Amino acid sequence: NAGVMQNPRHLVRRRGQEARLRCSPMKGHSHVYWYRQLPEEGLKFMVYLQKENIIDESGMPKERFSAEFPKEGPSILRIQQVVRGDSAAYFCASSPRSSVIGHNEQFFGPGTRLTVL
Amino acid sequence: AQKITQTQPGMFVQEKEAVTLDCTYDTSDPSYGLFWYKQPSSGEMIFLIYQGSYDQQNATEGRYSLNFQKARKSANLVISASQLGDSAMYFCAMELTGGGNKLTFGTGTQLKVEL
Repeated sequence: NAGVMQNPRHLVRRRGQEARLRCSPMKGHSHVYWYRQLPEEGLKFMVYLQKENIIDESGMPKERFSAEFPKEGPSILRIQQVVRGDSAAYFCASSPRSSVIGHNEQFFGPGTRLTVL
Repeated sequence: AQKITQTQPGMFVQEKEAVTLDCTYDTSDPSYGLFWYKQPSSGEMIFLIYQGSYDQQNATEGRYSLNFQKARKSANLVISASQLGDSAMYFCAMELTGGGNKLTFGTGTQLKVEL
């Protein structure tokens, strides 16, 4: 059973370009979370999605950032018109169910390191 | 709002010794989960151990144990018999059960294990 897959592992963009980060959750997992880790900092929650629904986007910047998790295919985190401050590691995690019924371990992908030149 | 505090930016420990990494949390929600993750220099996040707020016993997973003191709102990670491969960044995180599932992370502790 493959783990959470993220691609690309490294992404370099120039200011003003678009960045698309992909996340394929573990098989059987329908919950996806995106986190951002700035250099020398802990992870910060961005968005929580289930298939075709955004459940919680309280950590997403208001502009330029969007996320989706379509019925078929991976979850996509899209950053338009990137700026240098977007340089960070972006982690995706998946879980099989809501934590309403108990321990809800999130399995993390290897991350995508975005560098904006 | 919930908050996780890790006050030790860096720690050193001798190989084969035990080490405690501190974590305190703040929440008014009675139902929550506490996690520890390890992030080696390669960057991936590795789940280590979990403690639920209603669990009566402290969690243990091999050489990892969680010293859960609910009244003090602390959830310290204890690593016994440290190994060189334990050198990494360690993050404490909290999830509010039913509160949206997102994890709130601390700023991390960089652990270095020395010979």
